Amino acid sequence: EPEVTQTPSHQVTQMGQEVILRCVPISNHLYFYWYRQILGQKVEFLVSFYNNEISEKSEIFDDQFSVERPDGSNFTLKIRSTKLEDSAMYFCASSARTGGRGEKLFFGSGTQLSVL
Amino acid sequence: GESVGLHLPTLSVQEGDNSIINCAYSNSASDYFIWYKQESGKGPQFIIDIRSNMDKRQGQRVTVLLNKTVKHLSLQIAATQPGDSAVYFCAENWGLGGATNKLIFGTGTLLAVQP
Repeated sequence: EPEVTQTPSHQVTQMGQEVILRCVPISNHLYFYWYRQILGQKVEFLVSFYNNEISEKSEIFDDQFSVERPDGSNFTLKIRSTKLEDSAMYFCASSARTGGRGEKLFFGSGTQLSVL
Repeated sequence: GESVGLHLPTLSVQEGDNSIINCAYSNSASDYFIWYKQESGKGPQFIIDIRSNMDKRQGQRVTVLLNKTVKHLSLQIAATQPGDSAVYFCAENWGLGGATNKLIFGTGTLLAVQP
């Protein structure tokens, strides 16, 4: 069964450093997402992406965050200057069709980001 | 060290029993709902979904019930197995005008299946 893959599985970084989290969505999917989950808390929406542009973003997704689809297979999340509170599990997800209501999201296994 | 964060509601059941996990959602305009299962160290895994024009949907060993009047969703798992042990999240779709698929997740319930 096709799946969303994320690398690395764990990332440790120093506060103030830039990190790039990588994702390979399911190949025929058109909509891409990043969510995050702080330890013990809910999964939170960060951003959705379609046709090479952001379609929606949350309040969490400030100027320190950016997303990119550099080629036909990868989807990345960059945090320019990490803060302690960015420590979380980051999940990439993708969906097949319109991305509107009623479209199933498939999630990757996540990247655990630890900011020291 | 001391842990910080939400303490998950826990449902403990015996293997073979039926499980019912409940969820209250927040947005009366949400029209699509999903149950996800999350095992330790993994991403959310789709279980079953339901649209707001339905009040019940069945899958393999799972049933989702939707009560829009009280904004309540439930997941029923028949003949619960040890492999069902996980955290279960409900999620509602807050997509604006169909342009996106922004999911709002609930707190989660830890299902512990006792052999």
